[in-house]
This record gives sequence, C-alpha cells and structure tokens, in this order.
Amino acid sequence: SQQGEEDPQALSIQEGENATMNCSYKTSINNLQWYRQNSGRGLVHLILIRSNEREKHSGRLRVTLDTSKKSSSLLITASRAADTASYFCATAYYNQGGKLIFGQGTELSVKP
Amino acid sequence: KAGVTQTPRYLIKTRGQQVTLSCSPISGHRSVSWYQQTPGQGLQFLFEYFSETQRNKGNFPGRFSGRQFSNSRSEMNVSTLELGDSALYLCASSFLKPGLAGAEQYFGPGTRLTVT
Repeated sequence: SQQGEEDPQALSIQEGENATMNCSYKTSINNLQWYRQNSGRGLVHLILIRSNEREKHSGRLRVTLDTSKKSSSLLITASRAADTASYFCATAYYNQGGKLIFGQGTELSVKP
Repeated sequence: KAGVTQTPRYLIKTRGQQVTLSCSPISGHRSVSWYQQTPGQGLQFLFEYFSETQRNKGNFPGRFSGRQFSNSRSEMNVSTLELGDSALYLCASSFLKPGLAGAEQYFGPGTRLTVT
C-alpha cells in the first residue's frame, strides 16, 4: 500500500503545550500536505511543503520535510482547546494530478 | 467564494441498491476528487476528474464510478451496495493546472452513507 504512516495515533496534551505529529511515506513525492478534520467533517487544508523545501511556517504551525528519511513532522505551538481534531498528512506524486495519499491520522486532544 | 458543497449529507440505503452522490466544486476549480473514509481503512482515493475526464482512479471495484459535467460538477455512483460501502464520502476540488500535481484541496462536508 502507498499509504503513509503517522505517529502517534493519538496525543493528549494540556492547553499551552506544543504538539508534534510525524508522518512517513514510501516513494518520492512532489509535495506533502497537512489537513485537519473535526469530528468526521470535511478536511481543512493547513499547509503544503514542496519536495525541495525543508521547513515551512504558518502561524502556530511549523512543518519540516526530510526527503532522505521520507518523513515529515507537524508542530503546533501553544496549543488551544480549539486545536482538538484529527490531523492527516497527505502526499502528492508527480504525474498523478490531484490524487493524494493520506496517512492514518493523529487524533489530538487538547485539554483546557 | 462559496465552498465545496455535497448532497445529500446523509443517506441510508439497503444492500443491493445503488446510490448517486453529488459534488459542486468551488467556482473556477476544474479538478474534482473523491475519497472514501472509513474507521478501518482511513481516507482512500477513489478517482479524480479534470475537465470531464477521469484522470486518476484508485483501487476500488467497478461498482464505483463517477463523472464530471461541463460546469465541473461531479457525481459518483455506487451500484449493488454492500455493507462495507458504509462510509463518509468526501469530495474535494482544487485549482490544478494541467500538468501540475498536488495542489491544495478544498473539501466538502461529506456525504455519510449507511448501508443496512
């Protein structure tokens, strides 16, 4: 299966703490994206990092990409209760148009 | 701009029946993708349409089909429903130029299909 792997599967932290989620994939990618999903609803795009980029920031989000290890991490700093959601990484491949391969996701719970 | 809309939001069907789900992408987006989400298998790619042509297809049986209209709206159809088809079906659109891969996708709220 092309599907990537994420860890941890679940993460529970207190408000104000940082949350780190990791994603690994199997073959060379065009880019890697992170999405958030609240309670079985639609996914919301968070950030996209291209294969020639190593780090990207967006607000409280920091994403790194290590193509030699085929892995990425998402760091959410100063977490809030509203960050409680499932987070998915998704990989896009050359010559595969809009197709994304999603990881299994990390369920984040931020306690007030 | 209005977001991606999906209809219906909830659906209950019986084994053996067929179902059609509809997706209206964001205005200007020509790429529409469909995904199936289940607790066991996670998010799995079904197919992608671009300018009325199926450009990519996931590993699903032929009972799953789709199409895209000239206004970029898309439908997916599942025939001879099985219990295992119960899932959240998500549609996503993107502003993807021909020849480029992997633009960010905008997802609809999904259609929750229950097969009994």
